[in-house]
Amino acid sequence: EAQVTQNPRYLITVTGKKLTVTCSQNMNHEYMSWYRQDPGLGLRQIYYSMNVEVTDKGDVPEGYKVSRKEKRNFPLILESPSPNQTSLYFCASSLQGANTEAFFGQGTRLTVV
Amino acid sequence: DQQVKQNSPSLSVQEGRISILNCDYTNSMFDYFLWYKKYPAEGPTFLISISSIKDKNEDGRFTVFLNKSAKHLSLHIVPSQPGDSAVYFCAASANTGNQFYFGTGTSLTVIP
Repeated sequence: EAQVTQNPRYLITVTGKKLTVTCSQNMNHEYMSWYRQDPGLGLRQIYYSMNVEVTDKGDVPEGYKVSRKEKRNFPLILESPSPNQTSLYFCASSLQGANTEAFFGQGTRLTVV
Repeated sequence: DQQVKQNSPSLSVQEGRISILNCDYTNSMFDYFLWYKKYPAEGPTFLISISSIKDKNEDGRFTVFLNKSAKHLSLHIVPSQPGDSAVYFCAASANTGNQFYFGTGTSLTVIP
């Protein structure tokens, strides 16, 4: 089954404790991206990747890191999480860039206390 | 600044009637537009898209209309069904860019 898988689904952590949210897709898509969803703000893009070893900042990259060492994986790293990073995070992939539809993971609800 | 706007946070419609969801954009470089549907505790799922070379695209009960001069698009759902109750996001991208820009979403409730 074609899918984008994120882990974990729920995470509560403390300020400053490094964490990684994993994302994997099995569709051989070139493009992958991370979004955060906040009330009243919709989905905002954090980082995206056009292909292996190619990553770029989206609209809200501060406080986040990503890497794309393999085509299927695109982890999101929070080196020192802060409470303002409490949000619902989605990973997505698409066949080729932003002119084909994206497939989303089920989301990761992160709470930073 | 929000480049894609959905000015109606919520919409209620009777079952069987038409639902019309609206979306406005500011960037004239956008040439590809999509609608996504999102149920609680799930990720958004792709619904329908339209390229700027068209002004209408239809898929079953769902039709998207694009008015480039007004920088406006709308999603029509006919007839509306209770299972259509969800949050709908409008998104846009430019052929020259690599980013999707999403609106803030409209929560549709279809009343049986």
